[in-house]
Amino acid sequence: GESVGLHLPTLSVQEGDNSIINCAYSNSASDYFIWYKQESGKGPQFIIDIRSNMDKRQGQRVTVLLNKTVKHLSLQIAATQPGDSAVYFCAENRNSNSGYALNFGKGTSLLVTP
Amino acid sequence: AAGVIQSPRHLIKEKRETATLKCYPIPRHDTVYWYQQGPGQDPQFLISFYEKMQSDKGSIPDRFSAQQFSDYHSELNMSSLELGDSALYFCASSLALGQGVFGPGTRLTVL
Repeated sequence: GESVGLHLPTLSVQEGDNSIINCAYSNSASDYFIWYKQESGKGPQFIIDIRSNMDKRQGQRVTVLLNKTVKHLSLQIAATQPGDSAVYFCAENRNSNSGYALNFGKGTSLLVTP
Repeated sequence: AAGVIQSPRHLIKEKRETATLKCYPIPRHDTVYWYQQGPGQDPQFLISFYEKMQSDKGSIPDRFSAQQFSDYHSELNMSSLELGDSALYFCASSLALGQGVFGPGTRLTVL
């Protein structure tokens, strides 16, 4: 029979509000982190990245915060729009010596309601 | 702009059959990363290639093999398929082991 997938954590926000999606990582040696957005049936889409020598990085409507002390990463989306509805993954670089193969964290499903 | 091309986009196979998935990187990209994403799961890194050589290996089963060809396209060969192999398979391409751009994926269903 068909396997049942995990139920993703879901964050529901109203259009126009700010969203915060959190991620914990385990490898204290990780030096590069990325946030991806994935819409249903599509490949992950790069949103923003941050290196371990930074605490914060801002893009257009998005901010990533890195707390190395507690190994925590967050993605803040300002003025959330319906088009932001998707699953969001954080990812860390597996091995900085062999390119950008990534370990992904568990996704969070963001649902934006009008 | 040209993107990563994966073929086929959908594939249905029976248990114990074989499957070959293809990935055509963005022009001039020389690096390919393969990922497997089960239903409701996060993508899992399988294997990567740079300049036709394996650059990193993740949780790729022994039943799977992959290679990168002289034109930099890559193929993932899967044998003795199991129900649990049903998943989305993504490849990402980049230049010189850089951060990858993901393709649209191949949805494999094993019956």
